[in-house]
Amino acid sequence: DVKVTQSSRYLVKRTGEKVFLECVQDMDHENMFWYRQDPGLGLRLIYFSYDVKMKEKGDIPEGYSVSREKKERFSLILESASTNQTSMYLCASSWGTFGSGANVLTFGAGSRLTVL
Amino acid sequence: KQEVTQIPAALSVPEGENLVLNCSFTDSAIYNLQWFRQDPGKGLTSLLLIQSSQREQTSGRLNASLDKSSGRSTLYIAASQPGDSATYLCAVRLSMDSSYKLIFGSGTRLLVRP
Repeated sequence: DVKVTQSSRYLVKRTGEKVFLECVQDMDHENMFWYRQDPGLGLRLIYFSYDVKMKEKGDIPEGYSVSREKKERFSLILESASTNQTSMYLCASSWGTFGSGANVLTFGAGSRLTVL
Repeated sequence: KQEVTQIPAALSVPEGENLVLNCSFTDSAIYNLQWFRQDPGKGLTSLLLIQSSQREQTSGRLNASLDKSSGRSTLYIAASQPGDSATYLCAVRLSMDSSYKLIFGSGTRLLVRP
């Protein structure tokens, strides 16, 4: 089975800190995604990447950046954490290109971030 | 702008009951629709994916239907079990969007009582 691993399940950070959330997948997937999930708002796409060093903004990229230096790893970076970034962060990956299996997302277990 | 809505937000049923979860979307120009399950504190697991040309998909006790013209999808769960308790989310992908973005509903939290 495809496995998507998020390195930190729970983090507590202070306002202004730089935060790194790491995600690794082990099935050579081309596409990787970062979502945040908030009660009543569902999942919202922050950034996605369809290849190494390639990235595209999602719906809510403000306050975030990403890095994909290797195919298996996709990092989400909060340059200066704020309290409104307290949320559950979900990483996902999929294979293929438009028109194929690109929508069969495999999710990690999530990283719950609290910013004080 | 595509919006995906799931009503009700929460549902509680006794074990053994057949139930239907609803998902509606505002733009019928979708490429496909997917149903996910999320257990508390966990990530999402894909249950069923329906292409825009399909009417339904089945997996075990689950059956998902799609009516693009009315902007609706349903997830039917037969003979519900306590192990089905979870949050169920639907997500759509737009036809003309060349990215891989999914637009999610906010989910229905299901509790199956023993």
